[in-house]
Amino acid sequence: GNSVTQMEGPVTLSEEAFLTINCTYTATGYPSLFWYVQYPGEGLQLLLKATKADDKGSNKGFEATYRKETTSFHLEKGSVQVSDSAVYFCALSLPAPGAGSYQLTFGKGTKLSVIP
Amino acid sequence: DSGVTQTPKHLITATGQRVTLRCSPRSGDLSVYWYQQSLDQGLQFLIQYYNGEERAKGNILERFSAQQFPDLHSELNLSSLELGDSALYFCASSVAVGQVVSGYTFGSGTRLTVV
Repeated sequence: GNSVTQMEGPVTLSEEAFLTINCTYTATGYPSLFWYVQYPGEGLQLLLKATKADDKGSNKGFEATYRKETTSFHLEKGSVQVSDSAVYFCALSLPAPGAGSYQLTFGKGTKLSVIP
Repeated sequence: DSGVTQTPKHLITATGQRVTLRCSPRSGDLSVYWYQQSLDQGLQFLIQYYNGEERAKGNILERFSAQQFPDLHSELNLSSLELGDSALYFCASSVAVGQVVSGYTFGSGTRLTVV
């Protein structure tokens, strides 16, 4: 089946440090890929997306490139801030088997804490 | 405010009881998804409805059921509750069942505590 694997957390960084959160996927077909962010006490928000190979998604200084050859979609940010502290989820979207519809499959999430 | 409304925000109930969680999708969205988020299992897809019809089922227990009403709001019913059902339950919506290129819009969740 389809699955998403994220690096284990938690990740603790100092402000202005470089961030990488690894994400790899297993899928039959060509999924769309997403990063969602969950701030404390809130729901998930879409951070960025990429719909085909070599696409780069970017938002709020975060970037991720859809790498079909390595089945990866790593999240990066050049200089993190305290306000980036949150849980980050990698996800893929593919048709649900036999359902005629698409659904998101999520990784387990990576908690990021940024300290001043 | 994401536009997806979930009520109640918090729910505390005893084992063996039944609860109903409610979700109003974002205006214009026809598809509703329910997810369960627990510490050990992460985000698990439960069930999807599109315009009143069930479209896909994930890891939903037989004790759980859902429906989507003509006004497109959805309810998730959890019965014979067990301690292990304690979790955050999220509702999300999207415009259609087609390729979700824009992602889902999530509500802020209902935190269920079973004691």
